Amino acid sequence: HLVQSGAEVKKPGASVRLSCKASNYTFISYGISWVRQAPGQGLEWMGWISAYNGYTTYAQRFEGRVTMTTDTSTSTVYMKLRSLTSDDTAVYHCARDGLTYCGGDCYLNPWGQGTLVSVSP
Amino acid sequence: EIVLTQSPGTLSLSPGERATLSCRASQSVSSNYLAWYQQKPGQAPRLLIFGASSRATGIPDRFSGSGSGTDFTLAISRLEPEDFAVYYCQQYNRSPVTFGGGTKVEIK
Repeated sequence: HLVQSGAEVKKPGASVRLSCKASNYTFISYGISWVRQAPGQGLEWMGWISAYNGYTTYAQRFEGRVTMTTDTSTSTVYMKLRSLTSDDTAVYHCARDGLTYCGGDCYLNPWGQGTLVSVSP
Repeated sequence: EIVLTQSPGTLSLSPGERATLSCRASQSVSSNYLAWYQQKPGQAPRLLIFGASSRATGIPDRFSGSGSGTDFTLAISRLEPEDFAVYYCQQYNRSPVTFGGGTKVEIK
């Protein structure tokens, strides 16, 4: 249902743009969250975008550094993270709301396979 | 934000045994907006339970969720070899959604 772009290697200070392509459901009926997982760590919610109207809500710690967008013509969601540091090394997952029109507060099902972003000098 | 604390951090059990995992919230989670996920190494999390006690499609009935308010439990009645994994709880009652730190269920 959700297929993510491939692994990325970035230098500190750079930006990364990840994609998440949806299929087998009505794209605009569900929002998408991005959740990241640093090596050996737990899950951290980064933000959410409505595929219906592009409305976004971001976790406070990522405000000003993350941008989420959608392309309804290709059923794809993008997440751009700027000013990368080594602390941003993680697997980034996109995940669909479990219900239609959740508004950002929802359980997540299904999840994309994840994209590893490595940040190293 | 609502902080979720999972315990224990690691649970060492044998196949066939019962597992009981705890998730405690720093504030009441209204309408039981709590979910549980299973994650195996190198894989994405998989939804097990939503609404505190409703099993997701295709989840075996040996998995059950219970609780309300600030205390929630995931039980696995008889552990199968494929159940050894990390389990996370998530609250979606109040923004931002938050996850617990996880409980690892390992083979004893």
